[in-house]
Amino acid sequence: QSALTQPASVSGSPGQSITISCTGTSSDVGGYNYVSWYQQHPGKAPKLMIYDVSNRPSGVSTRFSGSKSGNTASLTISGLQAEDEADYYCSSYTSSSRVFGGGTKLTVL
Amino acid sequence: QVQLVQSGAEVKKPGASVKVSCKASGYTFTGYFMHWVRQAPGQGLEWMGWINLNSGGTNYAQKFQGWVTMTRDTSISTAYMELSRLRSDDTAVYYCARDSATVTTPYFDYWGQGTLVSVPS
Repeated sequence: QSALTQPASVSGSPGQSITISCTGTSSDVGGYNYVSWYQQHPGKAPKLMIYDVSNRPSGVSTRFSGSKSGNTASLTISGLQAEDEADYYCSSYTSSSRVFGGGTKLTVL
Repeated sequence: QVQLVQSGAEVKKPGASVKVSCKASGYTFTGYFMHWVRQAPGQGLEWMGWINLNSGGTNYAQKFQGWVTMTRDTSISTAYMELSRLRSDDTAVYYCARDSATVTTPYFDYWGQGTLVSVPS
């Protein structure tokens, strides 16, 4: 199972919006509405930010949103804040297993 | 509240085995699946497999078949991941992660704090 494709890095200034893409295949991202996104700060465990493509868990800021078109899912963060600087990983369900993206480092300028 | 508490850091010699534990609390242990995910230094997340905490059934990523074993002890609400024939490139932080699939849809809603396994060459 190949990893999902994410850009290695993205950046934005405080207050701006950024979007991180996550490209898979019809066997994973495109085949199920089970894409999730995780935020990871250095030295910490990943934290669930988005599940089922576009749902936010309780406690996650409304500045985080998700979407999907075909084999590509996207995470958008609006109103960037310094605390959003972290690594972000997408994950997809695929025939009883899971696959992660390679991760995207978000820098808040 | 749900908590997953993992065992402490390990240093192993090449060729040895390591067994990492993940003790769960705050929910019905056997009602979920547990996954294991690893992260090599400076690298991304890598899915290793899952264990059905009720039946003990497992599903391993193809890469790890034959050298990872996932088990659980329901009496103490603890899941285990054992990796054998360790090599230096198995140096990584190993995470357990609870899968919500049995109650809603598949995503990892809680994670352990991670266990660093070092295999010096």
